[in-house]
Amino acid sequence: GNSVTQMEGPVTLSEEAFLTINCTYTATGYPSLFWYVQYPGEGLQLLLKATKADDKGSNKGFEATYRKETTSFHLEKGSVQVSDSAVYFCALSRGRGSARQLTFGSGTQLTVLP
Amino acid sequence: DTEVTQTPKHLVMGMTNKKSLKCEQHMGHRAMYWYKQKAKKPPELMFVYSYEKLSINESVPSRFSPECPNSSLLNLHLHALQPEDSALYLCASSQDLSGDTQYFGPGTRLTVL
Repeated sequence: GNSVTQMEGPVTLSEEAFLTINCTYTATGYPSLFWYVQYPGEGLQLLLKATKADDKGSNKGFEATYRKETTSFHLEKGSVQVSDSAVYFCALSRGRGSARQLTFGSGTQLTVLP
Repeated sequence: DTEVTQTPKHLVMGMTNKKSLKCEQHMGHRAMYWYKQKAKKPPELMFVYSYEKLSINESVPSRFSPECPNSSLLNLHLHALQPEDSALYLCASSQDLSGDTQYFGPGTRLTVL
């Protein structure tokens, strides 16, 4: 079946540090890949996505590249801010019958200290 | 506009109460979803509606009853809940079932006493 594995958290960084959150997946065929962010007390917000191999998704300084050869979609940001503190979920979308469903990773808690 | 709205934001109910959660989207999406999220866990799919018809029920107990009165609205009716049902309930929508991007609402924080 489909699965997503994220690096264990929590991750604590100082402001302006470089961020990498690892994500690898298992799926048949060619899933779409996503990063969602959940700020404290809120719902999930789509951060970025990529739909085919070698695509790079980017938003708000975050980037992730769809690497089919390593089945990975690592999230990176060059300089994190305190406001980036949140839980980050990697997810894939793959068909189940006629429906595409999301499979989530376990989430990675990021705390950025001033 | 990629907004999904949910009301209420918070809900406290007793085990004998009946309440409803509401979700609305105006993106013209034809697939809508209910998820349950426990603390420090990813969302778990409960129901999927496609063109206002129930498409997927992930073996959810009957004390949760979904309803899709029109293409913009999705309700979740709650009755005789248990304390372990306390969670964040998230609604999401996508263009249709083959649309791979789901947009989430802010959620309803439910506490069952």
